[in-house]
Amino acid sequence: AIQMTQSPSSLSAAVGDTVTITCRASQNIGKDLAWYQQKPGKAPKVLIYSTSILQSGVPSRFSGTASTTDFTLTISNLQPEDFATYYCLQDESYPLTFGGGTKVEIK
Amino acid sequence: EVQLVESGGGLVQPGGSLRLSCEASGFTFSDYYMDWVRQAPGKGLEWVGRIRKQRDAYTTLYGTSVEGRFSISRDDSKNSLYLHMKSLTTEDTAVYYCARASFRLGTYYFDYWGRGTLVSVSS
Repeated sequence: AIQMTQSPSSLSAAVGDTVTITCRASQNIGKDLAWYQQKPGKAPKVLIYSTSILQSGVPSRFSGTASTTDFTLTISNLQPEDFATYYCLQDESYPLTFGGGTKVEIK
Repeated sequence: EVQLVESGGGLVQPGGSLRLSCEASGFTFSDYYMDWVRQAPGKGLEWVGRIRKQRDAYTTLYGTSVEGRFSISRDDSKNSLYLHMKSLTTEDTAVYYCARASFRLGTYYFDYWGRGTLVSVSS
């Protein structure tokens, strides 16, 4: 199975900051990666799919990029509603695998 | 409005079985692959499995930790997805979500999720 190593596992940031979260795939997954946001007690919500495509309705402060097997989610101008846990998910091959998650907390 | 509503969760003893359901509405259910994802208390997300649509022979695929114990089925006439779980262990305790898999730009992603149903495995 493809392993998705997500870092950091947690971070503290202030409103207005720019934060970067990374997922490293254990092998080539092309562009088959999505990012999800989850708030406590809620279902996850897709932010980005196919590495860099913003899901409809998601603010443009969220962006996704990739360099070979390293995938990055960047949140610019962090807003209060962005404090949550973020997960990557590879859909290139089965079994699908999530990263371990990154909890973004308020500094 | 797309809605996914899970049901069937509850307390079950180790070694027991349970069937979860997910009722879909607001879209043409038969046109989509459907997945189950779970989350143990305080832990991350884990993909459980997928069932493809009729055109793809309703093929099922499973995560490593559930293969051989869980099976996924669907009834397109009822807009319903099912997760049949057997030989349950305490490690299966989790909130189970159903999710719709949409296909765009050559990749699948989960664009709608249910609220989840809690399965607790305990003696």
